[in-house]
Amino acid sequence: QKEVEQDPGPLSVPEGAIVSLNCTYSNSAFQYFMWYRQYSRKGPELLMYTYSSGNKEDGRFTAQVDKSSKYISLFIRDSQPSDSATYLCAMSALISNFGNEKLTFGTGTRLTIIP
Amino acid sequence: EPEVTQTPSHQVTQMGQEVILRCVPISNHLYFYWYRQILGQKVEFLVSFYNNEISEKSEIFDDQFSVERPDGSNFTLKIRSTKLEDSAMYFCASDIPGGSEQFFGPGTRLTVL
Repeated sequence: QKEVEQDPGPLSVPEGAIVSLNCTYSNSAFQYFMWYRQYSRKGPELLMYTYSSGNKEDGRFTAQVDKSSKYISLFIRDSQPSDSATYLCAMSALISNFGNEKLTFGTGTRLTIIP
Repeated sequence: EPEVTQTPSHQVTQMGQEVILRCVPISNHLYFYWYRQILGQKVEFLVSFYNNEISEKSEIFDDQFSVERPDGSNFTLKIRSTKLEDSAMYFCASDIPGGSEQFFGPGTRLTVL
């Protein structure tokens, strides 16, 4: 079983729709859960991160973590054409006593918002 | 807003040549990382660096790879003898202690011919 699994899509929705992006994971050592947005041939841009089960909201974006089910989600409300990008889930585990962490990424979901 | 920068944006090299990819992390960050993304594949961890030494490396990061922080601002990734399969986007990232938010640079596209 892969450490992090993400539906690669592609996913196309009309403008204004609610988008749900999901990842599952198998490694119980993961402590932090992140969503990155990546435009074509650019670096990943951090959207949200959380470390506890529950919801975290930032504007039109809500990140949800369920540690008991090893499942995380990103919801985008009132989706806009500018939200069209690849969305990467990432999870981190401590890799040393110094507190630095290694990110394990999902494969990314390519999202297109149709005007 | 502070950001991670990387140079060059695109590097073309012949197989067997050495390349050095450069990164300037965010100034108050202390943890530094390299990741790579082969076209169409996921972002993969290569190495992490803290306090002038490697703290973790992946199985990809073999003896052909090395990292260095030659001064107070730059962080470099060297590939000694490039192979065709090294062609990828290479991303540098940095983080503060306890931050858990790694900020990525725009990447260097490495093409090995």
